[in-house]
Amino acid sequence: DAGITQSPRYKITETGRQVTLMCHQTWSHSYMFWYRQDLGHGLRLIYYSAAADITDKGEVPDGYVVSRSKTENFPLTLESATRSQTSVYFCASSKTSFSETQYFGPGTRLLVL
Amino acid sequence: GENVEQHPSTLSVQEGDSAVIKCTYSDSASNYFPWYKQELGKGPQLIIDIRSNVGEKKDQRIAVTLNKTAKHFSLHITETQPEDSAVYFCAASGAGGSYIPTFGRGTSLIVHP
Repeated sequence: DAGITQSPRYKITETGRQVTLMCHQTWSHSYMFWYRQDLGHGLRLIYYSAAADITDKGEVPDGYVVSRSKTENFPLTLESATRSQTSVYFCASSKTSFSETQYFGPGTRLLVL
Repeated sequence: GENVEQHPSTLSVQEGDSAVIKCTYSDSASNYFPWYKQELGKGPQLIIDIRSNVGEKKDQRIAVTLNKTAKHFSLHITETQPEDSAVYFCAASGAGGSYIPTFGRGTSLIVHP
């Protein structure tokens, strides 16, 4: 049971470049989430998706784009990376709603130079 | 939107002591309050949760209490062990599209042998 995976685990990029972080889950969970984790801020929601082809903004969506063409995949794209987007990014999923357990991936550490 | 405050940011205890972490929330419509544990280099993992129709829940050495009137909930860990050392996050969310999960900023728990 692979669960929820993220790739790459580590990424170094330069300001202005486009970067895509991948997230894949094997449970067919309806809800998927992208968070960023920064010291002093905890986990902040970037985008979420309630089902394939349904996405919505979270608390900090600016500079990010998401898509969900298949239930199991939820990629996050930084269209033009900035240094302020240096962070640890976590993907998560939950079965049917916000009000239940979220299962987190191992995270992607992104450094924007 | 929902605002979740978590205290303390750091908690240091001796092995065998109890640890208490407290969170307050702002939106009275929130109805689901999970606690996550994050070990170094890993994604958060649910350890216990409570819903608004329950005042207390226990699972071995951990317990969560909820005071809906005061809008606060707490995590209690008894007989702490070194492997309890981690960052703990509280969160609040609810049913419906407007109640996206909101996390506290985290508490770093250090248990000294």
